[in-house]
Amino acid sequence: GDSVTQMEGPVTLSEEACLTINCTYTATGYPSLFWYVQYPGEGLQLLLKATKADDKGSNKGFEATYRKETTSFHLEKGSVQVSDSAVYFCALSPPTEDFNKFYFGSGTKLNVKP
Amino acid sequence: GAVVSQHPSWVICKSGTSVKIECRSLDFQATTMFWYRQFPKQSLMLMATSNEGSKATYEQGVEKDKFLINHASLTLSTLTVTSAHPEDSSFYICSASLVTGSGTDTQYFGPGTRLTVL
Repeated sequence: GDSVTQMEGPVTLSEEACLTINCTYTATGYPSLFWYVQYPGEGLQLLLKATKADDKGSNKGFEATYRKETTSFHLEKGSVQVSDSAVYFCALSPPTEDFNKFYFGSGTKLNVKP
Repeated sequence: GAVVSQHPSWVICKSGTSVKIECRSLDFQATTMFWYRQFPKQSLMLMATSNEGSKATYEQGVEKDKFLINHASLTLSTLTVTSAHPEDSSFYICSASLVTGSGTDTQYFGPGTRLTVL
């Protein structure tokens, strides 16, 4: 079945360091892919998304490219800030009649130190 | 745009009582809403899919008689935890599905409701 696997955390970085959070998926066809962010005590917020192969989603300095050949959607940021500390979830939406039934990864906690 | 609210944000109740949680899409109509449960330091577990005007579809292992879902309008879905027990304590999150003009779908999440059952 459809699933998402993302790297375990926590990830601890110093401010201005580069960030990569790996995400791979298993799905039939071409799902839509998403990154959501959850700040402490809050719900999930959509960070970025990509709906077809080779699309690049970007927002707030974060980027992720939909790689069909490697079934990946890794999240990257060139210079993290303390305010980026949160839990990041990778998710997919199947390209089937269940397109609005999302599958989430386990989440990766990011801690950014000043 | 695409804001989803939940009420209450935090509730404490006694064991055996029932608790109702509301989920509203504030600036769009959502034919489909979803209810998730999130345990500490874990991902979201989909509990059920709520379609306006029809019965909810529950995921395997979720007791439909315990977690009653009503989707009375295109902007409101409610989750009622009946006869709550301490093991029901959790963070409950709803989301609403917005299908764009291009046919792609995005889920927008509410801020969550923390339920503590004493």
